[in-house]
Amino acid sequence: DSGVTQTPKHLITATGQRVTLRCSPRSGDLSVYWYQQSLDQGLQFLIQYYNGEERAKGNILERFSAQQFPDLHSELNLSSLELGDSALYFCASSVGGDSTEAFFGQGTRLTVV
Amino acid sequence: AQSVTQLGSHVSVSEGALVLLRCNYSSSVPPYLFWYVQYPNQGLQLLLKYTSAATLVKGINGFEAEFKKSETSFHLTKPSAHMSDAAEYFCAVSDNFGNEKLTFGTGTRLTIIP
Repeated sequence: DSGVTQTPKHLITATGQRVTLRCSPRSGDLSVYWYQQSLDQGLQFLIQYYNGEERAKGNILERFSAQQFPDLHSELNLSSLELGDSALYFCASSVGGDSTEAFFGQGTRLTVV
Repeated sequence: AQSVTQLGSHVSVSEGALVLLRCNYSSSVPPYLFWYVQYPNQGLQLLLKYTSAATLVKGINGFEAEFKKSETSFHLTKPSAHMSDAAEYFCAVSDNFGNEKLTFGTGTRLTIIP
């Protein structure tokens, strides 16, 4: 158990809908990262938050957004969903600062039908 | 931008044989390199990491990797494969010091033959 909790584990929704994925980082970790894992794109970095502020952005679509709350949990919002958004979405957390080790949650598997 | 290339999307070895998973990196600055393992229906678990302290890095479950700057490689090895090693392995590189987002390779699925 990495200590990173993601909910829900599975999500099935229709095209055009909006969903929210939730991540609770390890106790004491200030950084949260979101990754997308799909068959055609592999593992891709989406976005990083550090102590409530956006720190780095990767290949995140404009239809996607994220935030980190004062209690350090994070949410990834996916809107106007398309079939191609079906993927495994991972959250990871780290202490932040000069730490380079990230701990991953078990992921949320999103299926868009 | 930094990147990693994993050679071989599938590798099969016999139980007890040497495991060698290949990873080459591309970086204009000293990289931070990682190997992660993903078991079926699970998240990624860190096996080991290179952060310039030592070129030979020992990780969990008997795995180790050697950083070779001249070859821009960071191959993962294990002397004797176990059935429990069957999983997908990802090499990753992080950006400059202090920026921790990871760029992953495409992964290598390791199959252990009894």
